[in-house]
Amino acid sequence: NAGVTQTPKFRVLKTGQSMTLLCAQDMNHEYMYWYRQDPGMGLRLIHYSVGEGTTAKGEVPDGYNVSRLKKQNFLLGLESAAPSQTSVYFCASSYSGAVSNQPQHFGDGTRLSIL
Amino acid sequence: AQSVAQPEDQVNVAEGNPLTVKCTYSVSGNPYLFWYVQYPNRGLQFLLKYITGDNLVKGSYGFEAEFNKSQTSFHLKKPSALVSDSALYFCAVRDPIRYSSASKIIFGSGTRLSIRP
Repeated sequence: NAGVTQTPKFRVLKTGQSMTLLCAQDMNHEYMYWYRQDPGMGLRLIHYSVGEGTTAKGEVPDGYNVSRLKKQNFLLGLESAAPSQTSVYFCASSYSGAVSNQPQHFGDGTRLSIL
Repeated sequence: AQSVAQPEDQVNVAEGNPLTVKCTYSVSGNPYLFWYVQYPNRGLQFLLKYITGDNLVKGSYGFEAEFNKSQTSFHLKKPSALVSDSALYFCAVRDPIRYSSASKIIFGSGTRLSIRP
């Protein structure tokens, strides 16, 4: 069972470069999320999606864009990378938020360094 | 405002001893509470949850958590720690009143559990 798969696992960028992080889930989940994890700050929600074709801003959306063209995929884009975006990025998915007692399923993360 | 706090950055326990990882929360209604564990270079894994009913919830790997409404706490416990329990633990809270908004899942800052042999 693949669950949630994130690509790539590691990446080093120069300031100003752009890139896209890919998240794929095979559990037919409606909801998908992008978080960043920084030391001492836990997880902070960047953007989320409640279904195919929909996206919404989370707690720290600035500098990021997302797209959910297919139900199983959720893409996170950095248009112009900045050193402050150095972090570990996690994708997660869950059943419909209306059944809000369901846990989230996480990928293994993408470690991104911006020089 | 909805919030969750893990007051200890690190907890150190000897193998075989009981362990407790603390979590307190603040929500406007009755909360949905979760514990997750994160091993090195991995994503978060669900351990257990409290929705309603019995205040003592049992989860994976022998962990359990006790919901205490009067103290607004949801502490994670295990009767006998193993070295393999060493990891980063996150408490999370969701206000079911706001179920229509996925952004209302709040994670604590994490507690690093270290079990010495």
